[in-house]
Amino acid sequence: EDQVTQSPEALRLQEGESSSLNCSYTVSGLRGLFWYRQDPGKGPEFLFTLYSAGEEKEKERLKATLTKKESFLHITAPKPEDSATYLCAVQGNQAGTALIFGKGTTLSVSS
Amino acid sequence: GAVVSQHPSRVICKSGTSVKIECRSLDFQATTMFWYRQFPKQSLMLMATSNEGSKATYEQGVEKDKFLINHASLTLSTLTVTSAHPEDSSFYICSASAGTSYEQYFGPGTRLTVT
Repeated sequence: EDQVTQSPEALRLQEGESSSLNCSYTVSGLRGLFWYRQDPGKGPEFLFTLYSAGEEKEKERLKATLTKKESFLHITAPKPEDSATYLCAVQGNQAGTALIFGKGTTLSVSS
Repeated sequence: GAVVSQHPSRVICKSGTSVKIECRSLDFQATTMFWYRQFPKQSLMLMATSNEGSKATYEQGVEKDKFLINHASLTLSTLTVTSAHPEDSSFYICSASAGTSYEQYFGPGTRLTVT
């Protein structure tokens, strides 16, 4: 069964304190791994898609990496505006185009 | 680009009534649209997948007669919650995907409260 597990569930950082969020997955044939940001009461905002192990993508203070078993979302020198829930999702070949989401990591950055 | 809108953003209805939620892709043609629901502090759960012009495919456990999905055009899908009950109260989110692209772009969500 395809599954996504994110850790930690919640993370509190001081402004400027870099850290990483983990997304472990099991899927029968990975078509793509997706990272989204979700603010309270809003829909998820697309961040990255990773397709193969070894791939990396960056956007401002965020960098996503992928291995065959997990993905990391690295946050460098975070700011309070980076506070949000970060969702990881996978898309497997057998599941068609349906996304399977993890429960998310809620990040709080204080100044 | 890749903007998806939902209407309404919030709706309160009485038990037993029906509610329609619209999902529109504003700047691209969405061959496939998805409907999710999200309970507080929970993950997004896929309810159904719809392709333009064909019947929606529902996930196991989702009642197709209760959650009516219509995808009549490449830019519009609707979800109608029929005979709503308080347990249907949730955050409903749609997403849209275009052609061969694997990315899904999400709408802002609709908060449904059934009293």
